[in-house]
Amino acid sequence: AQKITQTQPGMFVQEKEAVTLDCTYDTSDQSYGLFWYKQPSSGEMIFLIYQGSYDEQNATEGRYSLNFQKARKSANLVISASQLGDSAMYFCAMREMPAVYNQGGKLIFGQGTELSVKP
Amino acid sequence: NAGVTQTPKFRVLKTGQSMTLLCAQDMNHEYMYWYRQDPGMGLRLIHYSVGEGTTAKGEVPDGYNVSRLKKQNFLLGLESAAPSQTSVYFCASSNRADSTEAFFGQGTRLTVV
Repeated sequence: AQKITQTQPGMFVQEKEAVTLDCTYDTSDQSYGLFWYKQPSSGEMIFLIYQGSYDEQNATEGRYSLNFQKARKSANLVISASQLGDSAMYFCAMREMPAVYNQGGKLIFGQGTELSVKP
Repeated sequence: NAGVTQTPKFRVLKTGQSMTLLCAQDMNHEYMYWYRQDPGMGLRLIHYSVGEGTTAKGEVPDGYNVSRLKKQNFLLGLESAAPSQTSVYFCASSNRADSTEAFFGQGTRLTVV
């Protein structure tokens, strides 16, 4: 069965420093996708970055990068040069990538990490 | 530019009452999902659908039913609401062919008293 684990309920980082949010996953599928979302205090879910299981290079989107270690089944989010606006909940997620139409597609989330950026 | 729209945004129910939450997407997405979010629990998958006319159970399906009669709509029903179903409910959708992002609705805050 699929499982996503985020072991850091809360994290603090100093403004302008880098921070790594941990995510490990478990799946028996060979093909899957990994996602990170940000949820500010206003409540909306904001997509940050995506990594496919067959992507050889780590995904990057601006100040966000995904440290993908397939053998260790980890997909950590790295935020460089933290800003006060980065204070939020961060969720890691995984989805099966079905080879057959109308199969798979389940998208599950971890428990989240609350990041606080200190000025 | 609507994306994913959830109706209603807020609702208060009495124990035992029934209601339906509507999720509508205008992006022609195959996949649709319903989640509940509770403090410290992250987003837990209730039910999902991989296409019109199909539904599947997620992690916490008990007490909920769903239907996807039209591709653009995914309905979540509570037949007999319980206080344990007090939560924030999120709907999401994504494209099967290009599935690098799931788009979320704004959430529905449901309180069962």
